[in-house]
This record gives sequence, C-alpha cells and structure tokens, in this order.
Amino acid sequence: DAGVIQSPRHEVTEMGQEVTLRCKPISGHNSLFWYRQTMMRGLELLIYFNNNVPIDDSGMPEDRFSAKMPNASFSTLKIQPSEPRDSAVYFCASSGTGNTEAFFGQGTRLTVV
Amino acid sequence: GIQVEQSPPDLILQEGANSTLRCNFSDSVNNLQWFHQNPWGQLINLFYIPSGTKQNGRLSATTVATERYSLLYISSSQTTDSGVYFCAVEGGSYIPTFGRGTSLIVHP
Repeated sequence: DAGVIQSPRHEVTEMGQEVTLRCKPISGHNSLFWYRQTMMRGLELLIYFNNNVPIDDSGMPEDRFSAKMPNASFSTLKIQPSEPRDSAVYFCASSGTGNTEAFFGQGTRLTVV
Repeated sequence: GIQVEQSPPDLILQEGANSTLRCNFSDSVNNLQWFHQNPWGQLINLFYIPSGTKQNGRLSATTVATERYSLLYISSSQTTDSGVYFCAVEGGSYIPTFGRGTSLIVHP
C-alpha cells in the first residue's frame, strides 16, 4: 500500500479564498483523522471519522472549517474563507478498528497571505 | 480528555551518546505510539506499544501502562536521529492524543 496520501503538499492562497485539502486513507482502514500542527498548539485533532461518519468534530476551530468523507477512500477538509491564522501543516491519518496503529500522510503545508 | 506530557522538551547530544525520552499520561490507555518527525516534517511510526518492551535496532521502547508512562531509548545516536519525537496515546475513544514532543538535535 502507498500509505496515506495527501494533496496538495503545499498550498499558498490569499486571505478570503477557499482552500480544499484532500486525503486518501490506507485501503481497509475505517478510521480517519485530520490534525493541524502549529508551533503554538502542537498537533491538535480537528475531526475524526469512523466508517465515513464524523464521530468527533469538537476540534474544528469554527464554521469556516468543514470536512467530509463521501466514501471509504476519500476525505476533504475545506476552509472557506481562509485567514492568515489558518497557516499550518494539516495532516491526515488513518487506522483500522480498535487497537491498531495510526499512519500519517506527508501533510499539506498551508500558507494564507 | 487524556493529558500527555513529554520530557525533556529539548535535548542536544553528541553523536554516539545514549538518551531516554519519557511520556507520561493521565489515564489508562488502549494504545500508545511513538513517532519521529524528521526535519522534512514527515511523521514516521517508530513503535506501537500499549504495554511491554520492543526493540528495533538502536531504538527501544517500554510502556508501563499501570504506572502510566512510556520510555523511548535511543542508543549510539546518529545525526539522522535529529528531529522531534512524539508520543501519542489513545483512551476509550481510540483517538490519538499527542504530547508536545521532545526536540532532539544530534551533533556530529
């Protein structure tokens, strides 16, 4: 398996624009996580899906952020409108059921200017 | 939620030295993982170790779940070991919660 695949790897956008980050989990994994990493806050969970259903979205900062998982092999994280404080590295991770390892994608480095 | 504390926050070593990184957690856990974030930002799985001891080359890890801590040992450190080491634990929700990491610099 190619692992968790995220796209794009880098994104530079202007404030106010819509940004869409994409993630393809490892085949067969039924848990998917979106994390954001900043120097100030470290790695923080944004949202957790299990079997394509959002289970915990308490980490989503505000209404500008939304995430979807239309099927077992694809998820998106959307920011609309984007703001400079959204600049961070966004990671997607997936794992199997219960006591299994989580594997991370290479991340998307987002810069909002 | 579970609190995860890692120590030390920063560590500087000379190549060839040994080190021990610690992860304390505030509640019982189902899973525990150690990751290495390399200078390119990639999170690399080191150990999946909810309990017991594992070894992989120069690295080993021990988790004492009853006492709520895990240790990562790095022996004969190399410059390629530089980066940030994260501990992530999962409680009943099976959501990985990360500590703030230990930043390691190994000088040649």
